[in-house]
Amino acid sequence: QKEVEQDPGPLSVPEGAIVSLNCTYSNSAFQYFMWYRQYSRKGPELLMYTYSSGNKEDGRFTAQVDKSSKYISLFIRDSQPSDSATYLCAMRDYGQNFVFGPGTRLSVLP
Amino acid sequence: DGGITQSPKYLFRKEGQNVTLSCEQNLNHDAMYWYRQDPGQGLRLIYYSQIVNDFQKGDIAEGYSVSREKKESFPLTVTSAQKNPTAFYLCASAKETSGRGNTGELFFGEGSRLTVL
Repeated sequence: QKEVEQDPGPLSVPEGAIVSLNCTYSNSAFQYFMWYRQYSRKGPELLMYTYSSGNKEDGRFTAQVDKSSKYISLFIRDSQPSDSATYLCAMRDYGQNFVFGPGTRLSVLP
Repeated sequence: DGGITQSPKYLFRKEGQNVTLSCEQNLNHDAMYWYRQDPGQGLRLIYYSQIVNDFQKGDIAEGYSVSREKKESFPLTVTSAQKNPTAFYLCASAKETSGRGNTGELFFGEGSRLTVL
């Protein structure tokens, strides 16, 4: 079993839809959780960073962490064509060990 | 503007040649990382460095080498020993993350695409 599992997609939704992206993990030592957006041939851009279980909102994005279930989610409201990208989840323990999911490719159709 | 600069963006190499990818950051971050990204796979760690003149191997260090002579710079050399070097290479940096309560976000450069001919 991989340390971090993520639905690879691709995922296609119409403009304005609510998008749910999910990752599960097996290592209970992970304490910090991140979501990155990566456009084609570009470096990943940090979208959300969370530490504790619960929800964190930033504009149209909401990150949700459930440490008891080892499950994290990213919700995108009112999705736009400019949201079309690959989304990577990442997590870290108290050390320097960052672990990434394989990414979910999202297409938002106008 | 603060950030991470990688160069070159595109690089072509003949088999048997060594190439060096540059990574410079002006974020005053202590920790720097090199990742390799292949289609359909997550980022895989090649090397990382927490302080100047010190670095550790990641999961796929074979065929790569690094140096950390300055805090701002962490160049990666892809040697001829790397059997399958064609990939997208990403440099990243983070604040020192030892202990609880530190931010620990990882910031990335724009990447360098290496193609072996």
